[in-house]
Order: sequence, then C-alpha cells, then structure tokens
Amino acid sequence: ETGVTQSPTHLIKTRGQQVTLRCSSQSGHNTVSWYQQALGQGPQFIFQYYREEENGRGNFPPRFSGLQFPNYSSELNVNALELDDSALYLCASSSKGIAGGRVNEQFFGPGTRLTVL
Amino acid sequence: AQSVTQLGSHVSVSEGALVLLRCNYSSSVPPYLFWYVQYPNQGLQLLLKYTTGATLVKGINGFEAEFKKSETSFHLTKPSAHMSDAAEYFCAVSPNFGNEKLTFGTGTRLTIIP
Repeated sequence: ETGVTQSPTHLIKTRGQQVTLRCSSQSGHNTVSWYQQALGQGPQFIFQYYREEENGRGNFPPRFSGLQFPNYSSELNVNALELDDSALYLCASSSKGIAGGRVNEQFFGPGTRLTVL
Repeated sequence: AQSVTQLGSHVSVSEGALVLLRCNYSSSVPPYLFWYVQYPNQGLQLLLKYTTGATLVKGINGFEAEFKKSETSFHLTKPSAHMSDAAEYFCAVSPNFGNEKLTFGTGTRLTIIP
C-alpha cells in the first residue's frame, strides 16, 4: 500500500505566473483535501475534492482551483501567483462512504514547497 | 465557526521531563479535536484524536490528551520527553467525525534539552 505522494517537492516561480501541483492519493482513498501552510503557521484548508467534484472550500480566492481525476489523484492550480502564495502545500487523502458520510482517517503527503519571487 | 488557540509557540523541556502542550478550542457544536506532529521537511502525522466517548485519549509515541469541555481545552501531554519528540505540534478541530476540513492552530515547536 503506497501512501500519499506529491510532486514536485520544491518549485520556484515568479509573481504572475501559474503553477500546478500534483497529488496521488493513498490506495483505496476517494477524497483529496489541499492545505496551504505558510512559514511559521498552521495549515489552512483550501478545498476538498470528492468523486471528482469540489466538496467544500476554505477562504481562498478563485485563482486557487483544483481537479480530481477518475483515479482520485488531484491537482491544485494557482493562477496569477503572488508573493504571499509562497508556502508548503499539503495534500491529504481519505475515504468517504458511497453516501459521502462517514470518513476514515485522513493521511497527509510530504508537501510541495512553493517559492514565489 | 471553529478555531483553536495554541499557547506558546515554543516549548523547551529536558529529556525525561513532562511535556505539556496547550490547546484551547472554540466551537458552537461538539468539536472533534486532533493533535498532529510535523517533523522537519515532512507532512503531518496524526498523534491522537477525540471524537466522542472517553475524554482521556491515548495516542502514538506515548502521548495523550484530555478533553475538558468546561475549560474548552485539549492539552497534549507525555510523561517523559525523548529526544525524538523534537518537532512541531499542531492542534486542530474538525466539524465532522473524520478529520477533514481541519482548522489548525499556529503550532508549538517542541525542543528537547539533553
């Protein structure tokens, strides 16, 4: 059983550019959540994807968007990068029942460190 | 809205001493509370969680936490600190049974003094 993996590990972009971060969920998991962890802060919930649809969103602007694929892997896209977007981006996967109810434990990946210059 | 407050951004204890990391929560509904640990350059690992039932929760690596509704607290303790406990610790609250859509505290960095 493989855990949650994220790519790339590190990324450097300049202000105004666009970035795509990738996450492969743990085997058997159908739900992916993304978090932003700024330096010295706790992670902040960006959004969650369940069965390829957004299922809840935190206080982030629309330039943060995502996708979930049929194999339950996910992408986080950020447009028009700003300096404050520099952070560790964490992906977490979990498993919901068919009705979207009970959830099993969420597991986190190692993160992608994004630096915006 | 739910929130958690971690008192003390840095805590230092001697090896073998008691570890106490403080967390207070605010929630208008029964909270689901979690403690996570983050080692350098790694993701988050769940230490323990409180959902319902017993208010004293035991987790991995000898850690435990007690849910005190009257004090709105969920402090993390370990009787005897080990060098390997040095890490960042986060308290978090979730609106549902599973640890999803978490709201995290700002973290406490634990340093162990040899």
